[in-house]
Amino acid sequence: DGGITQSPKYLFRKEGQNVTLSCEQNLNHDAMYWYRQDPGQGLRLIYYSQIVNDFQKGDIAEGYSVSREKKESFPLTVTSAQKNPTAFYLCASRQIRQGARGQPQHFGDGTRLSIL
Amino acid sequence: SQQGEEDPQALSIQEGENATMNCSYKTSINNLQWYRQNSGRGLVHLILIRSNEREKHSGRLRVTLDTSKKSSSLLITASRAADTASYFCATDESNFGNEKLTFGTGTRLTIIP
Repeated sequence: DGGITQSPKYLFRKEGQNVTLSCEQNLNHDAMYWYRQDPGQGLRLIYYSQIVNDFQKGDIAEGYSVSREKKESFPLTVTSAQKNPTAFYLCASRQIRQGARGQPQHFGDGTRLSIL
Repeated sequence: SQQGEEDPQALSIQEGENATMNCSYKTSINNLQWYRQNSGRGLVHLILIRSNEREKHSGRLRVTLDTSKKSSSLLITASRAADTASYFCATDESNFGNEKLTFGTGTRLTIIP
């Protein structure tokens, strides 16, 4: 089945530690996105990528980093500079090729990150 | 930044009743999308309405869009317990080079059996 896989489902971070969240898609989508969701809140965009080896900051990029070395993969690193990382992290992908405008985003099932 | 603001923030209704939730936004859009999120899961796309459309139906869902008021509504008819979830609107202001959605704050819908 085509879809987006996020791993791990739960992750714990110690003080001063960097952690990496995985996101893989087999939908052949061009664009991929990382969102942060705090309890009872909407989604805030962290980073997004529209093409391999290129990405743009979203609204809350500080303390996070990403890479896009392959079309299928868009890992998110939560660095020690992110002082309040406890949240639910969602990855999404979307087709944006010309002729496929206005397509919906497809989401993974999220990673819940907590501080030890 | 949050483009869409949903209203109400929370809604509880009896099974079988209709549920209506509203979304307001601030800038010009290409389309507006509604998503559903079950607790602890990712979002699932429900319906998309383009800026030149005024109403769209999909099963028990009816979406309206009023671009002059910058608002949209989602109506779920004949609600079921399985409709219990959070619902988000998302505005698409994409242009080539800036392909992203902006999500609202969501409405938590509880259907009482």
